[in-house]
Amino acid sequence: DVVMTQSPLSLPVTLGQPASISCRSSQSLVYSDGNTYLNWFQQRPGQSPRRLIYKVSNRDSGVPDRFSGSGSGTDFTLKISRVEAEDVGVYYCMQGTHWPPTWTFGQGTKVEIK
Amino acid sequence: QVQLVESGGGVVQPGGSLRLSCAASGFTFSSYGMHWVRQAPGKGLEWVAFIRYDGSNKYYADSVKGRFTISRDNSKNTLYLQMNSLRAEDTAVYYCADDVFLYWGQGTLVTVSS
Repeated sequence: DVVMTQSPLSLPVTLGQPASISCRSSQSLVYSDGNTYLNWFQQRPGQSPRRLIYKVSNRDSGVPDRFSGSGSGTDFTLKISRVEAEDVGVYYCMQGTHWPPTWTFGQGTKVEIK
Repeated sequence: QVQLVESGGGVVQPGGSLRLSCAASGFTFSSYGMHWVRQAPGKGLEWVAFIRYDGSNKYYADSVKGRFTISRDNSKNTLYLQMNSLRAEDTAVYYCADDVFLYWGQGTLVTVSS
């Protein structure tokens, strides 16, 4: 099965400063149709997960443009250009390329304000 | 607007059974595959099961295979998760989500304890 590895697992950030989260997969996430099914999710404290980014770099509706996704193959990055207080939470990457049998989440990266 | 509302969680003894429901509205439920995802207390997200739009194919995480059954009733716009032979490690908030993880419910807590 594909393993998704995020780093760092904890990310203290100063308000207004950038933040970057890395996600690596144990296999290439390029699907036979040419797409790469790598998503990013945000989970604020006490809330359900929310999809931010799909297929590596596409922002979902309503997601601020300070969030951006990039990468290819096995290496992916979520960047927040200027962290705001509402960005506190846990961020997960997830692969949807290698199914069946499974969809796989990373361990999560906790973003907090310094 | 799309709504997913889980129900059926509660406290159950080890070895017991529980059936979760996810009531869907605001979209054509019968046209979309659906997932169950869980989150143990203080832990990350774990994909549990997926069912195709018509129920023709079902997929499970190894951790629940043979014990959990995903099903759906398209006439009632409802997704189910039958959980048997429950273990302490199944304790988690269980979320239902659409096929691309864009829409999530609020979750229902399952606690397996004697």
